[in-house]
Amino acid sequence: AQTVTQSQPEMSVQEAETVTLSCTYDTSESDYYLFWYKQPPSRQMILVIRQEAYKQQNATENRFSVNFQKAAKSFSLKISDSQLGDAAMYFCAYRSGREYGNKLVFGAGTILRVKS
Amino acid sequence: DSGVTQTPKHLITATGQRVTLRCSPRSGDLSVYWYQQSLDQGLQFLIQYYNGEERAKGNILERFSAQQFPDLHSELNLSSLELGDSALYFCASSVDWSGRGSYNEQFFGPGTRLTVL
Repeated sequence: AQTVTQSQPEMSVQEAETVTLSCTYDTSESDYYLFWYKQPPSRQMILVIRQEAYKQQNATENRFSVNFQKAAKSFSLKISDSQLGDAAMYFCAYRSGREYGNKLVFGAGTILRVKS
Repeated sequence: DSGVTQTPKHLITATGQRVTLRCSPRSGDLSVYWYQQSLDQGLQFLIQYYNGEERAKGNILERFSAQQFPDLHSELNLSSLELGDSALYFCASSVDWSGRGSYNEQFFGPGTRLTVL
């Protein structure tokens, strides 16, 4: 079974600075997808960024980018120019690319605090 | 707003009771997923339905059951409730059911907060 590990329970960043959230995963599959979800205090799950395993190029969405290291099974999220609205719980998630594998497997989450 | 709706937002009940959580997927989405978020278990996949049929099962207790109706809305039934069932229950929807091909992004509803006293 696939597992996702987020080793940082909590991180802090100064407003306008850059922070990196770590995620590692374990899988024997070669075809899969990785995601970062943001959960603000409202508890809504918001998709931040996604990466297909077969794409070597790291995904980027505005101030959010990932560092995808397939061999190391690592998928970190970098947030540049941090804003107060970035404060939230961040979840790393894995989804198999197999036909019957559409469930999301989540890590334990990292609480991100942004200081003004 | 993801387009996925869940009712009720909050539910407070007693141990031993039975409750039903309701989810309406985004227009056009045929697949519905249920997830449970609790302090001790984190975010866990419970069950997936596609166009009325069960497609995948996760860590769903036997006391829990779900179904998807012809209009594609889904209900999660929780019975013989225990204190440990207190959690935030999310419904998500996607166009397709398979893991293959496109991202097949899952859109999450706002969740139902269940408190068992």
